Amino acid sequence: QKEVEQDPGPLSVPEGAIVSLNCTYSNSAFQYFMWYRQYSRKGPELLMYTYSSGNKEDGRFTAQVDKSSKYISLFIRDSQPSDSATYLCAMTKTGANNLFFGTGTRLTVIP
Amino acid sequence: NAGVTQTPKFQVLKTGQSMTLQCAQDMNHNSMYWYRQDPGMGLRLIYYSASEGTTDKGEVPNGYNVSRLNKREFSLRLESAAPSQTSVYFCASREDFTSYNEQFFGPGTRLTVL
Repeated sequence: QKEVEQDPGPLSVPEGAIVSLNCTYSNSAFQYFMWYRQYSRKGPELLMYTYSSGNKEDGRFTAQVDKSSKYISLFIRDSQPSDSATYLCAMTKTGANNLFFGTGTRLTVIP
Repeated sequence: NAGVTQTPKFQVLKTGQSMTLQCAQDMNHNSMYWYRQDPGMGLRLIYYSASEGTTDKGEVPNGYNVSRLNKREFSLRLESAAPSQTSVYFCASREDFTSYNEQFFGPGTRLTVL
């Protein structure tokens, strides 16, 4: 079993929809949770990160972490065609050198 | 700042050929990484280097070697390429002073082994 599980999709939504992307994990030592966005034929870029449980909001994006359920989410409000990309969750523990990635969910926002 | 740069962008090899993928970063980061990305498999760590002069195996190191030439450069070598090494390869470097381990990725090298 992989340490981080993510539904690969693909996910296709109309412009303006609310998008929910999710990951589950098995290692309770993870404390830092990130979402990377990867446009086609580009490298991933950090979108948001959260520490431990709770919510974090940045514009149209909200990241949620529920450590009791080992479940993290990324919500995109008022989705735009420019949000079309693959979204990868990633997580790590204090002092670790490495990130543990999900497989990525490919999102298409249709105009 | 160019960030993380990788060369070449594309490469086609025949089985058994060798090649070196180059990576450089200009952000003065200590840690550097090599990943491969395959459909349905996500990003898998091949090797990483926590500092100049040190390297460690990741999840899928077999068939690869690395060299941390200096603080800026981290190369990945395929000694005898196999079709199973067809993939997109990403180099990354890490922001050393954040606890959440933010990594900055290069644009990738698309490798096909025939």
